[in-house]
Amino acid sequence: DAKTTQPPSMDCAEGRAANLPCNHSTISGNEYVYWYRQIHSQGPQYIIHGLKNNETNEMASLIITEDRKSSTLILPHATLRDTAVYYCIASAGGTSYGKLTFGQGTILTVHP
Amino acid sequence: GAGVSQSPSNKVTEKGKDVELRCDPISGHTALYWYRQSLGQGLEFLIYFQGNSAPDKSGLPSDRFSAERTGGSVSTLTIQRTQQEDSAVYLCASSLWTGGETQYFGPGTRLLVL
Repeated sequence: DAKTTQPPSMDCAEGRAANLPCNHSTISGNEYVYWYRQIHSQGPQYIIHGLKNNETNEMASLIITEDRKSSTLILPHATLRDTAVYYCIASAGGTSYGKLTFGQGTILTVHP
Repeated sequence: GAGVSQSPSNKVTEKGKDVELRCDPISGHTALYWYRQSLGQGLEFLIYFQGNSAPDKSGLPSDRFSAERTGGSVSTLTIQRTQQEDSAVYLCASSLWTGGETQYFGPGTRLLVL
């Protein structure tokens, strides 16, 4: 799996958009970009994933650059409950049997 | 429907004892994964199952660790002769099948070896 790089921490005001960046400059063509988050003392929670196109679901939006070397997770209206560690993972899915390689992630703190 | 469940939620044991951790995946999920998260560390992949088969056991930290899955459902992770460095949160996840599918994680088992 390609290595990903994320800032160690970020702050966001409640109600504002949280934009979490991720660099994956060595990503290969068959690797997806996955985002998970881990709220304190809980198991990781899937947020969103994509290959080339931008994706949106009820939780977030994922913007992937055209060269696929970086991406941004957007939480449009952050709440205090969004405070968590956010992990960006590049995984080839089937060829790596779904194994997820978690890095250190970004600690997002949403403040009132 | 029910999510992934794990038991026990917390386990305190003495060094040298064996422990068994259980994972109940989401019904119908053929793939099952075990991860470990040590204090302040990221998640470390241990092993995965496709059905009852574990094709790759290379992520297991030592031969004291073993895992099995029966009936394509429940999985147990066994740690023999526990050591203090085995203290961690052990997380289980399941997905419909291996590769490219969303993994759903359980709440984890917090293991403390004294």
